[in-house]
Amino acid sequence: DQQVKQNSPSLSVQEGRISILNCDYTNSMFDYFLWYKKYPAEGPTFLISISSIKDKNEDGRFTVFLNKSAKHLSLHIVPSQPGDSAVYFCAALAGYFNKFYFGSGTKLNVKP
Amino acid sequence: KAGVTQTPRYLIKTRGQQVTLSCSPISGHRSVSWYQQTPGQGLQFLFEYFSETQRNKGNFPGRFSGRQFSNSRSEMNVSTLELGDSALYLCASNQAGNYGYTFGSGTRLTVV
Repeated sequence: DQQVKQNSPSLSVQEGRISILNCDYTNSMFDYFLWYKKYPAEGPTFLISISSIKDKNEDGRFTVFLNKSAKHLSLHIVPSQPGDSAVYFCAALAGYFNKFYFGSGTKLNVKP
Repeated sequence: KAGVTQTPRYLIKTRGQQVTLSCSPISGHRSVSWYQQTPGQGLQFLFEYFSETQRNKGNFPGRFSGRQFSNSRSEMNVSTLELGDSALYLCASNQAGNYGYTFGSGTRLTVV
């Protein structure tokens, strides 16, 4: 069963604009969420995370928002740059890395 | 269809021993990649196999190795185990040309 879903397989935005990537989950036991970025021919690299006790975490151009009541998190990239073009995965953890779930990914294309 | 199967689910080894983990991908998926998940480091890429060939490799010492068989099943081996190798080891499979990754539940390795 897919407990973490990224319903948009792809997203295209113009350079300098905001990119918003969305992720939904079903398990209320998830208490830690992560975003990963993956370039072609490379493994995913960690981007940013958020604990369930927070609703926002910011790191430079990247901000993750968590809406626990809606079981939804989003990643905002402002401003978007062509180098941000990659596949973005959200992931959720329940407990002390006892269960780990990944979304299927969203391919972001930032056009110059 | 069956998901990605990792065996065993839990493993306890002592320092200096070696361990082999197994991953059976979704039927039809030819790419298998391995990751190490630790609380402090997040998800780190180990290596990726495609059609029995290692296509990509992360930044791990030579004690970590893997292989893929003709049926796409993959094994990961860690020799001369160290305490720091304690982690959740995840494998993921995907179809060639498809960005959707399906992860297994992982093998939790504890080195004592």
